[in-house]
Amino acid sequence: DADVTQTPRNRITKTGKRIMLECSQTKGHDRMYWYRQDPGLGLRLIYYSFDVKDINKGEISDGYSVSRQAQAKFSLSLESAIPNQTALYFCATSDFSTSGRLEQFFGPGTRLTVL
Amino acid sequence: AQSVTQPDIHITVSEGASLELRCNYSYGATPYLFWYVQSPGQGLQLLLKYFSGDTLVQGIKGFEAEFKRSQSSFNLRKPSVHWSDAAEYFCAVGARVAGNMLTFGGGTRLMVKP
Repeated sequence: DADVTQTPRNRITKTGKRIMLECSQTKGHDRMYWYRQDPGLGLRLIYYSFDVKDINKGEISDGYSVSRQAQAKFSLSLESAIPNQTALYFCATSDFSTSGRLEQFFGPGTRLTVL
Repeated sequence: AQSVTQPDIHITVSEGASLELRCNYSYGATPYLFWYVQSPGQGLQLLLKYFSGDTLVQGIKGFEAEFKRSQSSFNLRKPSVHWSDAAEYFCAVGARVAGNMLTFGGGTRLMVKP
């Protein structure tokens, strides 16, 4: 059973469309993150949330928005998708209560293609 | 702010050969250090982590890494590579302050020749 799930796993869309990527976790962690992965650039942080009422921008938040609907759910939206948002998107979680050691647990990823 | 450099974008080794993947970090104090592996079509799996104590860290799948403060490095090693080790490997660093995030390197893609 997956602890961190992402839907959809693959999505092809057109420029200008609104897209939502969803993340759910059963680990009971308080912190959740959205990253994008591009070849040669590693993972870059888009948004993160330390609890339901706390949302923070990451390194590359322009063009994205997020919603933390519950402790277990964190969604990423592209209001008007553009081709350079084609990437692999990862959701991750961590548990600050375990001494805040930053270890993160990742979902399987969503491959998004914007035509 | 911290940063991570993985100098090798691609590495090819023969099955059974030893492996070392390089990771250099920039941070003003002792950081938290991680190595993750991403197999094709999969998410990232934690291989090992360094928080404190012994600078030689053992991980899963026979991997180990050594924290060298003087060189700001955290290189990943394996004595004998298996074909199933072909994947992309990411080094990450985190600062020891509340609310700090992980910073990832650009990744090293490992290919294994039979």
